[in-house]
Amino acid sequence: DIQMTQSPSSLSAFVGDRVTITCRASQGVGTYLNWYQQKPGKAPRLLIQAASSLQSGVPSRFSGSGSGTDFTLTISSLQPEDSGSYYCQQSYSSSPVTFGGGTKVEIK
Amino acid sequence: EVQLVESGGGLVHPGGSLKLSCVASGFTFSGSAMHWVRQASGKGLEWVGRIRSRPNNYATAYAASVKGRFTISRDDSKNTAFLEMNSLETEDTAIYYCTRGTSSDFWGQGTLVTVSS
Repeated sequence: DIQMTQSPSSLSAFVGDRVTITCRASQGVGTYLNWYQQKPGKAPRLLIQAASSLQSGVPSRFSGSGSGTDFTLTISSLQPEDSGSYYCQQSYSSSPVTFGGGTKVEIK
Repeated sequence: EVQLVESGGGLVHPGGSLKLSCVASGFTFSGSAMHWVRQASGKGLEWVGRIRSRPNNYATAYAASVKGRFTISRDDSKNTAFLEMNSLETEDTAIYYCTRGTSSDFWGQGTLVTVSS
């Protein structure tokens, strides 16, 4: 199975800060890497597909990059509504699909 | 508008069974793989399994933690996917989500399964 390691597990930042979350795969997944945002009590929402493709309706302050084993989710200017948890997921292997452990983002 | 609506969750004793449903609308259900993902309270996301579409022979795959106990099926005539859970354990307590496709681009609201004596 492909293991996904996210870091940090949590972070606290000010509104307007640039925030970076990293995700590392235990083996190459090409660009089959997706990022999700989850607010408390809600289902996850797909933010970025295929490592860097922003989903419709997602603010442009979110961006993704990387390929192979190392990936990054960046929020260029953190906003209050960005608080929540973020997960990476590899879809290179659909059996099993695997998620990172998550990153909890808090606003200072 | 794509919608996925799960139902069938509830309280069940250890060793018991439960069958979840996921009704889809707003897209061509028969052409999509459907996945199930679960989340225990305060924990991360765990993939449960998936069923592919008819052209892919309705192939199924499962996480090691549920293989042999859970079965995924679908009824394309009713735009519905199912997750049948047997021999339930307390560790299966979670919110269960159905999602569309391997990239899980759409998620249902989830249904809570509680396994407790």
